[in-house]
Amino acid sequence: GAGVSQSPRYKVTKRGQDVTLRCDPISSHATLYWYQQALGQGPEFLTYFNYEAQPDKSGLPSDRFSAERPEGSISTLTIQRTEQRDSAMYRCASSPGRQFNNEQFFGPGTRLTVL
Amino acid sequence: SQQGEEDPQALSIQEGENATMNCSYKTSINNLQWYRQNSGRGLVHLILIRSNEREKHSGRLRVTLDTSKKSSSLLITASRAADTASYFCATSKNTDKLIFGTGTRLQVFP
Repeated sequence: GAGVSQSPRYKVTKRGQDVTLRCDPISSHATLYWYQQALGQGPEFLTYFNYEAQPDKSGLPSDRFSAERPEGSISTLTIQRTEQRDSAMYRCASSPGRQFNNEQFFGPGTRLTVL
Repeated sequence: SQQGEEDPQALSIQEGENATMNCSYKTSINNLQWYRQNSGRGLVHLILIRSNEREKHSGRLRVTLDTSKKSSSLLITASRAADTASYFCATSKNTDKLIFGTGTRLQVFP
């Protein structure tokens, strides 16, 4: 596609529910990233994929967070048993790969609110 | 945790003036990038400077990097109301992840 897209754009859920966020990267991009951004802060790295491989998930805050990219294109981020502190903007980005100096192209984000 | 701090946290100027934002970071890097975030929108890449570069220009943007001081600055010349946004620096080392700073909120008044 023309850019990175994310869905839903807004998600309101009750504490304890599971949520799944989706990211469609730029179609030719090998690498896909997930970030969490609290209000008034910069994005914080969660995890990334190189095609289907997930070399680094060190930023996932707990085992309630998981991400997949089974076919090396679309990715999902799942938060189980959501807590109020999970409320944030979740941003997805993609890049062609390291040889392109890691410029990342960001989607519009999913605003998650946990009540 | 954020890699760096940006200074100032907020900046208000008139159209036509220059805006300077500073970023300090903590560990050695391969490159440093600046991104812009408009209200309610995604982040847009502005410019990348490698660790062996000291200055780079792109249109009205000028970026400097001082690796000895672990700091960078972004200068926007002849600012416009459309430049109103939050600006973030982001660093990377030998991995693909970006570590973002805390951001500077720039307001340009017409």
